[in-house]
Amino acid sequence: AQKVTQAQTEISVVEKEDVTLDCVYETRDTTYYLFWYKQPPSGELVFLIRRNSFDEQNEISGRYSWNFQKSTSSFNFTITASQVVDSAVYFCALRGLYGGSQGNLIFGKGTKLSVKP
Amino acid sequence: GAVVSQHPSWVICKSGTSVKIECRSLDFQATTMFWYRQFPKQSLMLMATSNEGSKATYEQGVEKDKFLINHASLTLSTLTVTSAHPEDSSFYICSASLGLSKDTQYFGPGTRLTVL
Repeated sequence: AQKVTQAQTEISVVEKEDVTLDCVYETRDTTYYLFWYKQPPSGELVFLIRRNSFDEQNEISGRYSWNFQKSTSSFNFTITASQVVDSAVYFCALRGLYGGSQGNLIFGKGTKLSVKP
Repeated sequence: GAVVSQHPSWVICKSGTSVKIECRSLDFQATTMFWYRQFPKQSLMLMATSNEGSKATYEQGVEKDKFLINHASLTLSTLTVTSAHPEDSSFYICSASLGLSKDTQYFGPGTRLTVL
């Protein structure tokens, strides 16, 4: 079975603080893909990153960074120097090649991030 | 980047009527499109997967006669909610991908349906 767990339901920080959103996944696939999406209040899901299971190199994009640890089945997302515009619900998702529902995206329940000025 | 549009962005209808939602991939050909439903403060629930030119594959518990999906071209998929009822009120989101399992799904802006 495939599963994505985002244990943090809501996080509130003050602007300029760093914040890490946790994501833990379960899969029996040896090849799989992990994603992070941002859903601002407008509702549209914005693609942030895709990572395949063979690439454990951490990635940094501006204030965003991702830490992929296969040993702990985690794919955590860190925002440094958070800004009010970062306020949104963030979803972690998993897509296997063979498992799950025809290789479809399996979403976590999301973490709502509120950044206060 | 890949752009997916949805129309309408919101719709209010009377109970018993049918509503059609369009999903278009604007700058790429989407072999596969997905329809999701999202209730307030909840995650996305996959309703069905559609491949161009073939019948949609529905997730367990989703009534295919109620939620009609047509993927007539590589850039357009439609979801028709037939005989809508208040419990069908939700946020419907489509996504599109090139169809390979490694491909990223790009999401539309969503359609908020309210059935009175």
